[in-house]
Amino acid sequence: DIEMTQSPSSLSASVGDTVTVTCRASQSIEYYVNWYQQKPGQAPKVLIYSSGSLYGEVPSRFDGDGSGTDFTLTIRGLQPDDFASYFCQQTYSSPYTFGQGTTVEIK
Amino acid sequence: QVQLEQSGAEVKKPGASVRVSCKPSGYSITNYAMHWVRQAPGQRLEWLGWIHIGEYRTKYSEKFEGRLTITGDTSASSIYMELSSLTSEDTAIYYCARDLRGGYVYWFLDLWGRGTQVTVSS
Repeated sequence: DIEMTQSPSSLSASVGDTVTVTCRASQSIEYYVNWYQQKPGQAPKVLIYSSGSLYGEVPSRFDGDGSGTDFTLTIRGLQPDDFASYFCQQTYSSPYTFGQGTTVEIK
Repeated sequence: QVQLEQSGAEVKKPGASVRVSCKPSGYSITNYAMHWVRQAPGQRLEWLGWIHIGEYRTKYSEKFEGRLTITGDTSASSIYMELSSLTSEDTAIYYCARDLRGGYVYWFLDLWGRGTQVTVSS
């Protein structure tokens, strides 16, 4: 199975800050990474697919990048609604594994 | 409004089976693939498998082969996930989630159900 290692597991930030979450795959997965946001008690929502494509009406302050084994999700100008957990997922090969998540908390 | 409606919480004894349903509204179940993902307490999301009713395709995580069955019923417009031989490690929230690309290149899960709590306890 491809292991997705996400870091940090949590971070504290203020409104307006720029934060970056990293996901590292245990083998090359080309651009097959999605990023999801999840709030307590809610289902995940897709933000980014195929590493860098913004989904639907997701705000442009969310930015995904990377290829091969190293991927990043950057949130520029953090907004109150962005305090949540974020997960990466690889869709390169089955089983389609997720990272352990990063919780973005208010400083 | 396009949404996925899941069945209610279940409590099962070890060794039993559970069936969770997922009923899309706003589109036909034959149009897109449906994945099942679970989240155990304090654990990362875990992908279980998917089905594409319209294309007669299913795929399961090898971890669950033999005890996971995903099916669909077009007359009921519903998709079902059945997991057998339950243990306490199967206690989790089970989500169905839509895949617009049918498991093909660069697929992602764009629409999720609210989740179904399955608790396995003696």
